[in-house]
Amino acid sequence: EPEVTQTPSHQVTQMGQEVILRCVPISNHLYFYWYRQILGQKVEFLVSFYNNEISEKSEIFDDQFSVERPDGSNFTLKIRSTKLEDSAMYFCASNTGEDEAFFGQGTRLTVV
Amino acid sequence: AQSVTQLDSHVSVSEGTPVLLRCNYSSSYSPSLFWYVQHPNKGLQLLLKYTSAATLVKGINGFEAEFKKSETSFHLTKPSAHMSDAAEYFCVVSDFMDTGRRALTFGSGTRLQVQP
Repeated sequence: EPEVTQTPSHQVTQMGQEVILRCVPISNHLYFYWYRQILGQKVEFLVSFYNNEISEKSEIFDDQFSVERPDGSNFTLKIRSTKLEDSAMYFCASNTGEDEAFFGQGTRLTVV
Repeated sequence: AQSVTQLDSHVSVSEGTPVLLRCNYSSSYSPSLFWYVQHPNKGLQLLLKYTSAATLVKGINGFEAEFKKSETSFHLTKPSAHMSDAAEYFCVVSDFMDTGRRALTFGSGTRLQVQP
């Protein structure tokens, strides 16, 4: 069964460093998403991506964040200069639009 | 704009008793609605979905939900709770935003506890 894969599963980084979280969405999907979940809090929308551009983004998704689809398979989230409050579980998801989103297992980012 | 309200942040039931997790939504268009479950330290797993077909939707592990447009609700139910059902449950709406693009909006989640 097709699935969304995320790498790495855990990432520890020092404050101020850049991190790139990687995702491989399901191959025939058109919409890609990043969500985050700070420990003990709700799942928050960061950004959606369609047709090689950002279609929606939340207030959280400031200039420190960027997304890219560098080739036909990967979808990446970059945080330019990490802050302690960026520590969270980051989920990637994809879908064709109307149907359910398929989520990856998440990347746990810890900023120290 | 779309929004999702999960009316209970915590629900506690006894094993073998019914489960009801409530969800109300607002949407300007015709939404698709989903319930996802998240077990501790795990990812998000789809339980069931409504995408404009039958209003009573059956999902995995004995869960079902009924889409009621007049009440703008999509409550999740299960006749008999099992210990393994203890998890966080998220109601999610997928709809067109004002930009004409689709987006997913999560409810704040309901933590289900199952007592032996």
